[in-house]
Amino acid sequence: AQTVTQSQPEMSVQEAETVTLSCTYDTSESDYYLFWYKQPPSRQMILVIRQEAYKQQNATENRFSVNFQKAAKSFSLKISDSQLGDAAMYFCALTQGGSEKLVFGKGTKLTVNP
Amino acid sequence: EAGVTQFPSHSVIEKGQTVTLRCDPISGHDNLYWYRRVMGKEIKFLLHFVKESKQDESGMPNNRFLAERTGGTYSTLKVQPAELEDSGVYFCASSPGTVYGYTFGSGTRLTVV
Repeated sequence: AQTVTQSQPEMSVQEAETVTLSCTYDTSESDYYLFWYKQPPSRQMILVIRQEAYKQQNATENRFSVNFQKAAKSFSLKISDSQLGDAAMYFCALTQGGSEKLVFGKGTKLTVNP
Repeated sequence: EAGVTQFPSHSVIEKGQTVTLRCDPISGHDNLYWYRRVMGKEIKFLLHFVKESKQDESGMPNNRFLAERTGGTYSTLKVQPAELEDSGVYFCASSPGTVYGYTFGSGTRLTVV
């Protein structure tokens, strides 16, 4: 069975600083995808970043980057130059190749302080 | 491009009543998914449609839940009769394929009292 663990229920960061959200996962598959989704208050979930397991290079999207440690089954999200609009619930998710369902972590609530 | 639309955004019903949630996916997305988040817990998969066919309904909690996708377009999720433990946020998502990631709707917050 696949599992995703987000050990930080809440995090806070000062505006313009950097924060890292942790995520570990477990899967027996070699072909899988990892995602970070962001859900602002009362708004829809948005895909932040995606990582294919077969790619060694860490994915980057503007101020968002991941540290993908395949052997350790770790997939942390780094947000640089944090902005007030980054405040949201962040969900780490996993799906294996050939399957369509996502397995989610419990989420981390990020607060950005001005 | 219009996103994934869900309605209602909120619904409060009494135990034993029936509620129908609707999801309109992005046009052209064959894959449609339903997920549910019960307060304080993980978002859990309910089921997956490919066009009008149920590809995977392994996450449906019991036979009080019925999902349909008419003509491969919009989908409905009916809960009948609703129980207290059905309260939560129901998310719909659509995708052209796994590798692209999903586009989620804003969710329907269901409260059963």
